[in-house]
Amino acid sequence: AQKITQTQPGMFVQEKEAVTLDCTYDTSDPSYGLFWYKQPSSGEMIFLIYQGSYDQQNATEGRYSLNFQKARKSANLVISASQLGDSAMYFCAMREVTGGGADGLTFGKGTHLIIQP
Amino acid sequence: DAGVIQSPRHEVTEMGQEVTLRCKPISGHDYLFWYRQTMMRGLELLIYFNNNVPIDDSGMPEDRFSAKMPNASFSTLKIQPSEPRDSAVYFCASRKKRVGGNTIYFGEGSWLTVV
Repeated sequence: AQKITQTQPGMFVQEKEAVTLDCTYDTSDPSYGLFWYKQPSSGEMIFLIYQGSYDQQNATEGRYSLNFQKARKSANLVISASQLGDSAMYFCAMREVTGGGADGLTFGKGTHLIIQP
Repeated sequence: DAGVIQSPRHEVTEMGQEVTLRCKPISGHDYLFWYRQTMMRGLELLIYFNNNVPIDDSGMPEDRFSAKMPNASFSTLKIQPSEPRDSAVYFCASRKKRVGGNTIYFGEGSWLTVV
């Protein structure tokens, strides 16, 4: 079974609109972290935002926020006021802290976001 | 602060040749990871080190692949002999040892093409 599922292979959004990128995860580890990375066409992986499983509040970083719904095992990324420069691949990833998985990250397949003027 | 530094950025090599990819992690980071990204398989963890010691190499695809970390500031991923199916982007990443978030920071990747 996939540990990270991103159901939107591609999305087209008008500039200045808000964007929600979906991510669901599967783990039995009580302690885990969820990450979002952006990969523009130039190829580098850019860290955007992190949410810990015990964090009480949803994480925010500038225009990025993470809509964390623990019971539903979802960690959607919300980008407010989208910009042309937001066009990129976006990856959701998870690290299971105790037992189980490797110390690295398990990635979803990604969502290709295209912002249209 | 300098990020994770990888070299070469791009390499084109002929099948059968040895390929060596290099990585300098962020200073002070305890963990180093090698990932491979392909269209078909996405991002895969190949191997990771903790304090220069290989911890899990279960993602290394074949004996043709090997990785070393002789000191805290340098790691190599070697493919010998290389094959066309090894063509991919290889990322090195690092993080500090700390309970909780421990954001993993990636290098810019090494784009390998084996012809």
